[in-house]
Amino acid sequence: AQSVSQHNHHVILSEAASLELGCNYSYGGTVNLFWYVQYPGQHLQLLLKYFSGDPLVKGIKGFEAEFIKSKFSFNLRKPSVQWSDTAEYFCAVNGDDYKLSFGAGTTVTVRA
Amino acid sequence: NAGVMQNPRHLVRRRGQEARLRCSPMKGHSHVYWYRQLPEEGLKFMVYLQKENIIDESGMPKERFSAEFPKEGPSILRIQQVVRGDSAAYFCASSLGTGGWGTEAFFGQGTRLTVV
Repeated sequence: AQSVSQHNHHVILSEAASLELGCNYSYGGTVNLFWYVQYPGQHLQLLLKYFSGDPLVKGIKGFEAEFIKSKFSFNLRKPSVQWSDTAEYFCAVNGDDYKLSFGAGTTVTVRA
Repeated sequence: NAGVMQNPRHLVRRRGQEARLRCSPMKGHSHVYWYRQLPEEGLKFMVYLQKENIIDESGMPKERFSAEFPKEGPSILRIQQVVRGDSAAYFCASSLGTGGWGTEAFFGQGTRLTVV
């Protein structure tokens, strides 16, 4: 079974600061990797995903993530955050079945 | 195009009562997944259903919890005789088919259950 760990529970930043959220997973086989975002009061939305190919993945709203297979990591980055990026961010892993395993989530607060 | 609709958004129940959570998948989707999020934890898989069939309920507690996805109508997650530990956010997702998390699966806004 796969498991996912996110390094930070809560991150507080100022606008224009750079953001990096760590995600590590454990799974022996081929994985699909995802980052979801949940804005206050809204549903989970897919930010970006990695299935295969270029390990540097670009998503919506200026986010990107890098898959480093040797480190079992899929860290999320954004060079310059905005107040509207305040949300909860979830890393998720899907192995060779339909179960999507989530990390505990990181709450990001961006101060204006 | 309405997304995955869950209702109610908030549900308060006293210990011992029943909780019914509804999930209407996106139009055309026949696969439904339920997840539970406890405080300070990630979303945990509970059950995977297709129309009229439970495919995998390995994440469901053995007692008091049940789920269905009838031919007509929404999927229902039912919790009987609720206890305080059932307080959580319950999320539903739907997809066209299996394994389509990247492109086909969408989540609802969740139902926050509070047991008092």
